[in-house]
Amino acid sequence: QVTLRESGPALVKPTQTLTLTCTFSGFSLSTSGMCVSWIRQPPGKALEWLALIDWDDDKYYSTSLKTRLTISKDTSKKQVVLTMTNMDPVDTATYYCARITHPSYSGRDDFDYWGQGTLVTVSS
Amino acid sequence: QSALTQPPSVSGSPGQSVTISCTGTSSDVGSYTRVSWYQQPPGTAPKLIIYEVSNRPSGVPDRFSGSKSGNTASLTISGLQAEDEADYYCSSYTSSSTYVFGTGTKVTVL
Repeated sequence: QVTLRESGPALVKPTQTLTLTCTFSGFSLSTSGMCVSWIRQPPGKALEWLALIDWDDDKYYSTSLKTRLTISKDTSKKQVVLTMTNMDPVDTATYYCARITHPSYSGRDDFDYWGQGTLVTVSS
Repeated sequence: QSALTQPPSVSGSPGQSVTISCTGTSSDVGSYTRVSWYQQPPGTAPKLIIYEVSNRPSGVPDRFSGSKSGNTASLTISGLQAEDEADYYCSSYTSSSTYVFGTGTKVTVL
């Protein structure tokens, strides 16, 4: 069964760099078509897509945040890491990782499994 | 990339039908069938309920249905039940090889 779990600091200071880890099971990121994405949700607000990494190590970023984001994977550890630089209080949010499969392989393109999310607060 | 536009809230009595719209542009909703919908009860992670415009994953009740016309996708909940009270979000792939979510709609069962 597919599961994902986010981990990282609950509190970061402004200007610091945030590092979040998504640890998953039930699938492999070395399998063609498999991808993992990061999505965030500020308290009381809408979901916002951040980044995606695929089985071939191709990476895609939100246009508005791409200068601050880096996504990477460790296939053997079954982990995907997201770093976000220069954190600001407006970045306070619950950060989710989710699995997505490439439509060329699955015929569909949606976030079918999600982690429970981790709340990150940015405050001095 | 601007968020897809959804109504902030919709409501209905048990048994009624409600429809949530999701309006994008020709660079996202209008150009792809890669539109999905997510249900998020308070304090929980989003759950996929519709993919590829109108397909339901296994286990999702058939009272949830999706459609698309032009730049607007829609989610209809037929036979509204108390357990359907939640926030709902649409999502689409975009021509920039990114994804965009909707502004979210709160469904209230009266």
